[in-house]
Amino acid sequence: DGGITQSPKYLFRKEGQNVTLSCEQNLNHDAMYWYRQDPGQGLRLIYYSQIVNDFQKGDIAEGYSVSREKKESFPLTVTSAQKNPTAFYLCASTPTSLNTEAFFGQGTRLTVV
Amino acid sequence: GQQVMQIPQYQHVQEGEDFTTYCNSSTTLSNIQWYKQRPGGHPVFLIQLVKSGEVKKQKRLTFQFGEAKKNSSLHITATQTTDVGTYFCAGLSNYQLIWGAGTKLIIKP
Repeated sequence: DGGITQSPKYLFRKEGQNVTLSCEQNLNHDAMYWYRQDPGQGLRLIYYSQIVNDFQKGDIAEGYSVSREKKESFPLTVTSAQKNPTAFYLCASTPTSLNTEAFFGQGTRLTVV
Repeated sequence: GQQVMQIPQYQHVQEGEDFTTYCNSSTTLSNIQWYKQRPGGHPVFLIQLVKSGEVKKQKRLTFQFGEAKKNSSLHITATQTTDVGTYFCAGLSNYQLIWGAGTKLIIKP
């Protein structure tokens, strides 16, 4: 079955540690996105990539980094520079542009203690 | 910056009552998409509206896109327990998808 997979579902880290969230898709989509969701708020764009080896900052990129070495994979690293990292992180993909339905992974709930 | 305001934040209804959520954009949108997120889940695409004044129906759900392509609404007739969740609009403007904050539908016990 085609889909988009995020792992792990729950992640706990100590303050000051970097952590990498995985996102893999087998939909053959060109574009991939990372969003952050906080309670009572909409989705805020962290980074997006429209093609392999290229990515762009979203609205809240500070304290985060990404790579897009393969079409299928778009990992997100939450660095120690991110001041409030505890949140629900969602990865999404679209075939090409945003003019089509976005498919989401199940999300990773990151808690930093 | 570009914003999509979505109201209300919460709506409590008795099962069988109707539910409506509204989105208003500060800029003209190329299209608007609607998603549903169940508690603990991820957003799932419902529909996309592209044309000015467009109205689309999916069973008990009616979606509208305003004439000026700046506002949209989702109306659910006769809510059921399976409708529970948060409904988000997302507008496409300048090649960016801008999300509303969502409206949480709560069915009163």
